[in-house]
Amino acid sequence: EADIYQTPRYLVIGTGKKITLECSQTMGHDKMYWYQQDPGMELHLIHYSYGVNSTEKGDLSSESTVSRIRTEHFPLTLESARPSHTSQYLCASSEGQFTDTQYFGPGTRLTVL
Amino acid sequence: AQKVTQAQTEISVVEKEDVTLDCVYETRDTTYYLFWYKQPPSGELVFLIRRNSFDEQNEISGRYSWNFQKSTSSFNFTITASQVVDSAVYFCALSEAGGGGNKLTFGTGTQLKVEL
Repeated sequence: EADIYQTPRYLVIGTGKKITLECSQTMGHDKMYWYQQDPGMELHLIHYSYGVNSTEKGDLSSESTVSRIRTEHFPLTLESARPSHTSQYLCASSEGQFTDTQYFGPGTRLTVL
Repeated sequence: AQKVTQAQTEISVVEKEDVTLDCVYETRDTTYYLFWYKQPPSGELVFLIRRNSFDEQNEISGRYSWNFQKSTSSFNFTITASQVVDSAVYFCALSEAGGGGNKLTFGTGTQLKVEL
């Protein structure tokens, strides 16, 4: 059973606002990930991190940014939210090996009006 | 490039029916890993199983079973005696051992609806 948390679970916000989606894990996992899931259900990797002070962009280009100052914390920030950012954002973590199982948080459903 | 295809967008069954969810993958690597995840209406992805490319043994866990066939590049998932609680979106995913980061490629998912 994975211990990975995301807040908020739901967020409705106006265009132009700055938002930060929180993700925390208590398993001491080195690797963390952010996925964006569109209404058609497909998941796309937008950011990942190998460990503290490491961040990389994923396969899908995203206007969001991430930081990894602590092992357990991997927040995602949108400086100026737009309706096109409306989506579900899922955070995941895994142990050190590349092929280790990724465990997911409950997700944040973001709606930008 | 790796690719995962789940051709069944949506499946509806009546409770107690058996149902098989198909997954076909493409990869150039000889070492890779396959996964199944379940996404119930609440939204989180729940890990179900992980198999590596060297282990073609089928696996059974309760009402769940998985059939891995390298010859056809398939990793199908069967639910026996389905229940309403099985209603969810199921994702198949592939990870190549040689990729940078963890390139977990997901299929587009199969929505399973189990009705009374």
